[in-house]
Amino acid sequence: KAGVTQTPRYLIKTRGQQVTLSCSPISGHRSVSWYQQTPGQGLQFLFEYFSETQRNKGNFPGRFSGRQFSNSRSEMNVSTLELGDSALYLCASRRPARGLPREGYTFGSGTRLTVV
Amino acid sequence: GQQVMQIPQYQHVQEGEDFTTYCNSSTTLSNIQWYKQRPGGHPVFLIQLVKSGEVKKQKRLTFQFGEAKKNSSLHITATQTTDVGTYFCAGTDTGANSKLTFGKGITLSVRP
Repeated sequence: KAGVTQTPRYLIKTRGQQVTLSCSPISGHRSVSWYQQTPGQGLQFLFEYFSETQRNKGNFPGRFSGRQFSNSRSEMNVSTLELGDSALYLCASRRPARGLPREGYTFGSGTRLTVV
Repeated sequence: GQQVMQIPQYQHVQEGEDFTTYCNSSTTLSNIQWYKQRPGGHPVFLIQLVKSGEVKKQKRLTFQFGEAKKNSSLHITATQTTDVGTYFCAGTDTGANSKLTFGKGITLSVRP
């Protein structure tokens, strides 16, 4: 079966611009989470969506936002980009499960964002 | 907030040596997961532990969840070059919040 698909794979943006990243989860997976990965900070949680509702949110500024569509596809948006936003953005999906996760996440290959 | 810690961040071993790494949480966890990320790749789920004191094995890898559910360990027997990568632990806090918090990972290199 198809895995988690993230587009685009690579992106170069200028400071001050905004960017939208896309994630298509595995078919049947309704929970989608986003993580920012940088060498110094590891994997930092951005937000989690389930059935089009944001269920959890990490400690990122309001410039970072996301949404989920009725087909479970998710997008995240970063406005007014800063140099420090350069990172690998990973999307992960899992089967529908309210409450505690019962199985592991399947990650996409990520979008490598470079802000210049 | 919840913190999951993995120290050190890097470890180098000779092929054939055993390797053990630990993961500690500032809070009691409902479960813990382990992931492996190869260089240039994305995290891949290895295993989930749920019960206090639980031990699970996958070939040469042994995972353990602490009795207090605040720590976990990963042991690799007779490391191979294919074990190279970054190993992350990730925990879910007790309570209704299902957020998975990752440690910073330990990057393992294996000298052939």
